Amino acid sequence: SQQGEEDPQALSIQEGENATMNCSYKTSINNLQWYRQNSGRGLVHLILIRSNEREKHSGRLRVTLDTSKKSSSLLITASRAADTASYFCATSSGAGSYQLTFGKGTKLSVIP
Amino acid sequence: EAQVTQNPRYLITVTGKKLTVTCSQNMNHEYMSWYRQDPGLGLRQIYYSMNVEVTDKGDVPEGYKVSRKEKRNFPLILESPSPNQTSLYFCASSQDGSGANVLTFGAGSRLTVL
Repeated sequence: SQQGEEDPQALSIQEGENATMNCSYKTSINNLQWYRQNSGRGLVHLILIRSNEREKHSGRLRVTLDTSKKSSSLLITASRAADTASYFCATSSGAGSYQLTFGKGTKLSVIP
Repeated sequence: EAQVTQNPRYLITVTGKKLTVTCSQNMNHEYMSWYRQDPGLGLRQIYYSMNVEVTDKGDVPEGYKVSRKEKRNFPLILESPSPNQTSLYFCASSQDGSGANVLTFGAGSRLTVL
């Protein structure tokens, strides 16, 4: 069953601009992860944020988590054409926390 | 290099002809999982395995079988493929599947069933 839902479904920006993608989920989580997928290829893990964390950074990526609103955001600063990809949030929740449930993704296009 | 290897990467087959998509990981991961990805539906889990000889259904297991006889291998079997199983399939693994460990994905297997 789908837990996370990304917004927007698609985003187009100019190189150098910042890109923000959001993820909302329905039930309490243990942690939330963001993955990236280049067209038709395997997903690559970007960052994991635990339910007791509010913000995390990795290079040009900044992830925030608001458990009261059941939402997370992924910010990519100073975007590059190579950032063009689909971005997925994935949540882990409940007693069977080995289940990682993915959203449908945000398709980001960075125009050179 | 640490990786998950899937084969075949591309396959066109006909309805009812049994096929197996192999998945192998070289990271000694305990947890392995199969997903299918369809336009507009995102990734949906088919089956997963917590360890050798331990498998369980995901969200969309109908029409699929799996086995986990060895830690490194987790093949996906389509006994009688149908056109609605045309999809992009991904195998993934992680240390223990607790959610605190990240998934490493294979490159994907694009399957077309005619």
